[in-house]
Amino acid sequence: DSGVTQTPKHLITATGQRVTLRCSPRSGDLSVYWYQQSLDQGLQFLIQYYNGEERAKGNILERFSAQQFPDLHSELNLSSLELGDSALYFCASSVEGERYGPYEQYFGPGTRLTVT
Amino acid sequence: AQSVTQPDIHITVSEGASLELRCNYSYGATPYLFWYVQSPGQGLQLLLKYFSGDTLVQGIKGFEAEFKRSQSSFNLRKPSVHWSDAAEYFCAVGVISGATNKLIFGTGTLLAVQP
Repeated sequence: DSGVTQTPKHLITATGQRVTLRCSPRSGDLSVYWYQQSLDQGLQFLIQYYNGEERAKGNILERFSAQQFPDLHSELNLSSLELGDSALYFCASSVEGERYGPYEQYFGPGTRLTVT
Repeated sequence: AQSVTQPDIHITVSEGASLELRCNYSYGATPYLFWYVQSPGQGLQLLLKYFSGDTLVQGIKGFEAEFKRSQSSFNLRKPSVHWSDAAEYFCAVGVISGATNKLIFGTGTLLAVQP
């Protein structure tokens, strides 16, 4: 158990809909990362939040957005869903602070999204 | 551009046999390297990491990896595989760019263990 929690575990929805994925980082971790794992794209970085502020964006679609709340949990919002958005979405947390450097990331169990 | 290559998509080994999973990276600066394992229906578990220092790093579950700068490689090894090691293994490079520490993953190697 990494200490990172994600809900829900599974989500099935229809095209055009909007969903919210939730992540709680490990206790004490200020940084949250979101990744998407799909068969055709593999594991890709989407976005990072640090202590409530967006820190970096990767290959995140404009239909997707995220935020990190004062209690440090994060939500990934996916809207106008398409069939191709079906994937496993992972959240990871890291202990990194203000000093930049390599930090290990601990992953949650993921949310499997199926768009029908 | 940064990238990670795992040339073996699928590997089958016998239980008790040794294992080596290959990983090559492309990164202009000092690489920070990781191996993660993903069991079916599970998240990614960190096996080991290399940041600096000794190029042979030990991880959990009896795994080790060796960083070879001259070959741009970070291969994962285990001397004796157990059936519970069957899973997918991902090599990743940590990219520090501005204020972020994102991970770039390889495509993974699926390990099957036969009795």
